[in-house]
Amino acid sequence: KAGVTQTPRYLIKTRGQQVTLSCSPISGHRSVSWYQQTPGQGLQFLFEYFSETQRNKGNFPGRFSGRQFSNSRSEMNVSTLELGDSALYLCASSLDMDGYTFGSGTRLTVV
Amino acid sequence: QKEVEQNSGPLSVPEGAIASLNCTYSDRGSQSFFWYRQYSGKSPELIMSIYSNGDKEDGRFTAQLNKASQYVSLLIRDSQPSDSATYLCAVKRGYGQNFVFGPGTRLSVLP
Repeated sequence: KAGVTQTPRYLIKTRGQQVTLSCSPISGHRSVSWYQQTPGQGLQFLFEYFSETQRNKGNFPGRFSGRQFSNSRSEMNVSTLELGDSALYLCASSLDMDGYTFGSGTRLTVV
Repeated sequence: QKEVEQNSGPLSVPEGAIASLNCTYSDRGSQSFFWYRQYSGKSPELIMSIYSNGDKEDGRFTAQLNKASQYVSLLIRDSQPSDSATYLCAVKRGYGQNFVFGPGTRLSVLP
C-alpha cells in the first residue's frame, strides 16, 4: 500500500514569494493534517482537512492556507514568505482515531 | 503549562539497558495516545498506540497509560544503537480533534 506522498521534497524560495506544497494521503484516509517542524518549536499543528473541509486549525497567520480535493489530496499554500517560514513541512493522513502516517516532508528554505 | 510535556533529554543509556521515556498531558479528556520515533532528517513514524489504562506490549516496546495521573510512558527493553532517535509523544482528545505533540526526547543508545 502506497504511503503518504509529499511533493516537492526540497524548495528554495525568496522572501515575499509564495509557495504551494502537495500531499497525497494513503488511499482511504480522508483526514489530512499539516505540521511545521523547526528545531526550536518542534511539531506545530497548522490545519486538518477532512472530506474537503477544514476541521481544525492551529495558531498560524492567515498567510498559511490549505485545501483538500475530492480525491483527498491536499495542498498547503504560504504567501508572502518570511525567513522564519523556513522549516520542514509534514503532511500526515489517518483514519481519525488511529495514529498518523507521515509523509517524507517538504523542506522549505526561504532566503 | 504546555499541553503535552516530555522529559527533557538527551537521554543516554547503554546498549542492552531499558530506556524509559515519559510524557504528561494536561487535557483530562484525551482519549488516544501515541508514540512516534523520528530519526534525524526523517519524518516521524508511529511505533505504539494506547487507548486504555495499563500496559501494552509490542516486541521490545511497552507503552503504559495512567489516565488518572495523566501520564503515558514508553519503555524500550534491550535498547539497541538503532533505537537512537527522538521519541515524540502525541495525544488526541477524541473524534474530529487534532493530535497534539510533545517536544520530543532524544535518546542515545551507547554501544
